[in-house]
Amino acid sequence: SQTIHQWPATLVQPVGSPLSLECTVEGTSNPNLYWYRQAAGRGLQLLFYSVGIGQISSEVPQNLSASRPQDRQFILSSKKLLLSDSGFYLCAWSVPGTGGGYTFGSGTRLTVV
Amino acid sequence: GQSLEQPSEVTAVEGAIVQINCTYQTSGFYGLSWYQQHDGGAPTFLSYNALDGLEETGRFSSFLSRSDSYGYLLLQELQMKDSASYFCAVQTGANNLFFGTGTRLTVIP
Repeated sequence: SQTIHQWPATLVQPVGSPLSLECTVEGTSNPNLYWYRQAAGRGLQLLFYSVGIGQISSEVPQNLSASRPQDRQFILSSKKLLLSDSGFYLCAWSVPGTGGGYTFGSGTRLTVV
Repeated sequence: GQSLEQPSEVTAVEGAIVQINCTYQTSGFYGLSWYQQHDGGAPTFLSYNALDGLEETGRFSSFLSRSDSYGYLLLQELQMKDSASYFCAVQTGANNLFFGTGTRLTVIP
């Protein structure tokens, strides 16, 4: 069966520090991978998606970047965090060509102080 | 751009039926999905409608009218554990799923 792992679960980082969040998927090959951010009490905002190794599409220009160094690994990074980067970050995967059924990781709650 | 509208809050009684509506305006449309999210948790997939009509999965049903840019999620025989936020999401491209701001459902005894 397929599983998705995301870590860490919580993170408190000072303004100006770097960020690296990692997501891995098991039990499937060539998944579509996504990074979403959710502000408190709000909907999910699509940040990046990837359809293959090294292929990254950005939906919202911002202080973040994403990379996919391996087929089932997706990394969200920042060189210098801003207070506005605080939020709940969710990684998700889906089977290419299928509709709407994304599987989300357990999320990382990031607080920038 | 894309916009989705759904009520921010709904309250219903245990055992009752509740309908959560979603209207959308998008530049492309592949289908409408629904997700459930409990406080502090990750969203979980409930249903997906690509064609007009009603899809039923146990106590949950989802409806889509593409001509009206409208859909709804119907929850029957409400249970306390159904208290959660429910998000509609529009797939606007092969790899783009855009979420509404969510409806917080509170089930009361």
